[in-house]
Order: sequence, then structure tokens, then C-alpha cells
Amino acid sequence: SQELEQSPQSLIVQEGKNLTINCTSSKTLYGLYWYKQKYGEGLIFLMMLQKGGEEKSHEKITAKLDEKKQQSSLHITASQPSHAGIYLCGADGGSQGNLIFGKGTKLSVKP
Amino acid sequence: DAEITQSPRHKITETGRQVTLACHQTWNHNNMFWYRQDLGHGLRLIHYSYGVQDTNKGEVSDGYSVSRSNTEDLPLTLESAASSQTSVYFCASSEEVTGELFFGEGSRLTVL
Repeated sequence: SQELEQSPQSLIVQEGKNLTINCTSSKTLYGLYWYKQKYGEGLIFLMMLQKGGEEKSHEKITAKLDEKKQQSSLHITASQPSHAGIYLCGADGGSQGNLIFGKGTKLSVKP
Repeated sequence: DAEITQSPRHKITETGRQVTLACHQTWNHNNMFWYRQDLGHGLRLIHYSYGVQDTNKGEVSDGYSVSRSNTEDLPLTLESAASSQTSVYFCASSEEVTGELFFGEGSRLTVL
């Protein structure tokens, strides 16, 4: 079965610094999703990547899927306290609409 | 605006009691899912449904059941709650074209 490994598990950065979160799959990725979760809340969709080499950006967050489609990275530029939360990557679990998830990366941003 | 809502948001129950968590979506999605989230395990799929009268077991389905009598609702039932089922439960629905999951706010269940 497919597994997603995220690194790091947790991250503390100073406001204004850049950071990267990685998501590595044990199998080829046919759809990679990034979600953000704030404590006590549901998951909010950030971006979806499908093609090898694809890169998408939204505000200060950029996600990339490598050419081999087994690794994705999420990069935040000039982090802000509003970026704090848990970031999860998800991938198609083999059944329609079913996603499997990594264990998440907890991001804290110090003002 | 379309949305997905869960109730209750918080519940405390005793071992052996039956508990039902409600999930209602107004997206008109055919696909609906229940996940549980635990420290060290992340999100794990419990049950899912691709449409009315369709239900399927996920990775951690033991002790849980679902029913789908209409498009909007997928209630999750714990037949006899156990302490190991203390968790945060998330309901989600998805678009069939993009596969994007829309999540509810979660239901925190404590089994004493």
C-alpha cells in the first residue's frame, strides 16, 4: 500500500523566514494534494498537483511535484503567524476520491 | 454557500454506549468519507460512500458503521464505544472531477 512520509514533523521559524516541507511517496503519485489545518478545525485545501515537474503558487505558498512524481515540496516565503498550523499532504489512495495522508508537519511561526 | 457540517462538535460518552456522529453536506457530492485523526497516525479512513445505498470499509473500519440513505448525509455509528475510539473525527466529501476533498470542522469524541 502507498505511504506518504512528511518531513520535518515539526518546524519553528521566525516570522519573515522561508521554509520548506517535504512529502515523499512510496509509489508514483497520480494526484498530490496539500491541505492546511488549524488547531481544532477542519482541513483547508491549498493546492493539487498532477503532472511531473508541475509547480503552483498561491500568495506566498508554492508547491512542486518532482519529475518522477514521488516527491512534493511546499515552500513558504516570508512566513507570517497566519501560516502557523499543520500541513498535510494527501495522495490518491487507489479508489475514487479516497485520499491517504501523511502524518502532517506542525508549523509554528514566532513573531 | 455550499458547506459540510458535523454534529456534535464535542461529545463525551461511556464505554459500551452507542454513538452516532452526523455529517451533512450541501455540495451535492456523491462521494463522502469519514476519517479519524490521532497523534502519530495522522488521518485514517474509516468508511466511505460513492452514492446512495453504497458504503465501503476503509483502513480502520472495525467498530464503526455508516449508512447512506440520501446524497446529503453520511452518519457514522459506533455500535459499542471503546476507549480506543477516542479521537477527532472528520467527515469529507469530494468532487468527482478534481478529487478535491472538502472537510467538515471535526467532531471530538471522548470515550471514558
